[in-house]
Amino acid sequence: QSALTQPPSASGSPGQSVTISCTGTSSDVGNYDYVSWYQQHPGKAPKLMIYDVSKRPSGVPDRFSGSKSGNTASLTVSGLQAEDESDYYCSSYAGSNKLVFGGGTKLTVL
Amino acid sequence: EVQLVESGGGLVQPGGSLRLSCAASGFTFSSYWMNWVRQAPGKGPVWVSRIYTDGSITSYADSVKGRFTISRDNAKKTLFLQMDSLRVEDTAVYYCARGFAGNDYWGQGTLVTVSS
Repeated sequence: QSALTQPPSASGSPGQSVTISCTGTSSDVGNYDYVSWYQQHPGKAPKLMIYDVSKRPSGVPDRFSGSKSGNTASLTVSGLQAEDESDYYCSSYAGSNKLVFGGGTKLTVL
Repeated sequence: EVQLVESGGGLVQPGGSLRLSCAASGFTFSSYWMNWVRQAPGKGPVWVSRIYTDGSITSYADSVKGRFTISRDNAKKTLFLQMDSLRVEDTAVYYCARGFAGNDYWGQGTLVTVSS
């Protein structure tokens, strides 16, 4: 159950787009369309932003989108806003009723 | 309104035990997989355990298998995590989270500190 691999940091200016990657293996990301993305502000619980690779829960702005290719999933934030500055984590179903999370990416809005 | 409220955290010595609870409200608790996820200070979340709707299926991360036991009481809408043989590395905020893959609701977390 190795953690999914995310870049430690990402950044962009207001209005720009930024993409965060999440690399797993053929046993998790590559084998199931159950990739989720979470936003977490300091001291708060994670908030679900994307599920099932590309679906958005109600209330999540459509500036957030998800995709997957092979063993790598991606979260794209378009039209960056100051409030998007946060930590982002991916997770994937890993078979046998297990989940695995990524190490996290700190998104900075310049 | 969906709510998940964890309790039971605290300071415990290595080798000790704690039982965490997660009280659910605002949804049909018995219809959902439930999870425990922990987050050490300054680190990312780590999945710990999950349980099927009726409790018949449970799963654990390798790091806690044999030491932690997940259970649920659907009549009381409560999720539990019995933690035995605790280690320093189990120190973390423990969250309960709803769902099979995308975990759409999380509690506020309860802090477990394992230290002598």
